[in-house]
Amino acid sequence: ELKVEQNPLFLSMQEGKNYTIYCNYSTTSDRLYWYRQDPGKSLESLFVLLSNGAVKQEGRLMASLDTKARLSTLHITAAVHDLSATYFCAVDKTSGSRLTFGEGTQLTVNP
Amino acid sequence: DGGITQSPKYLFRKEGQNVTLSCEQNLNHDAMYWYRQDPGQGLRLIYYSQIVNDFQKGDIAEGYSVSREKKESFPLTVTSAQKNPTAFYLCASSIGLLLAKNIQYFGAGTRLSVL
Repeated sequence: ELKVEQNPLFLSMQEGKNYTIYCNYSTTSDRLYWYRQDPGKSLESLFVLLSNGAVKQEGRLMASLDTKARLSTLHITAAVHDLSATYFCAVDKTSGSRLTFGEGTQLTVNP
Repeated sequence: DGGITQSPKYLFRKEGQNVTLSCEQNLNHDAMYWYRQDPGQGLRLIYYSQIVNDFQKGDIAEGYSVSREKKESFPLTVTSAQKNPTAFYLCASSIGLLLAKNIQYFGAGTRLSVL
C-alpha cells in the first residue's frame, strides 16, 4: 500500500522567512504533484514533478523531487501572507494509477 | 469557460435518506474522481472512472455509489448505509490516467451535513 507522509502538518512562520515542507512516500513512483487549498475552497495544482532531480519554481515556491530517497520538498522563500493555505503532495504509484494524497501541511504566514 | 461544476454547494441529509451530488465537466477529460475530505485531513478516494460506463472503488467506497453514463458527468450517491457522511466532497477530472502528466483538476466542492 502506497503511503504518503508530509511534515510538518502545521507550520506558522513570519513574513520574510524561509521554510521547507517535506513529502515522503513509501514505494517507487513515477509522478509527484503539489496542490494548494485555501480554507473552505477547492484544490489548485501547483507543480508536477516527473523525474529524479526535477525542480520547478513559481514565484516564492520551489518544488524538487528525489526519487531515490522517495522525497519531495516544497521550499518557501521570503514568505508572504498570501501563501497562507494548506499544501498537499500526491503521488502516483505507477503510470496509470490513481493519486494518493498526503495529510496536508497547514501553513500560516504571520505579519 | 472550461471547468468542473459541482452542485449543490451545501447539502443536508436526513437520516435514512439517499442524496446525490452532481459533478459535470466540460474539459473533455476521460478520467473522473470523487474524494472525501474531513476537517483538517487529507483527501480520501471514494470512486474513480477512467472511461464511460466503467468505474472502480477507491479506498472508502462503502456506503457510496456512482455512475458514468456520459463522459461529462459522474454523480455520486451517498446512501443511507453511509453512517457518517458529514464531510466536504470534491470531484476531480484528468485527461487520462495513462498519460505522463495526470494532473487532476478539482471542482469547488459540496459540503454535506446530516440533519
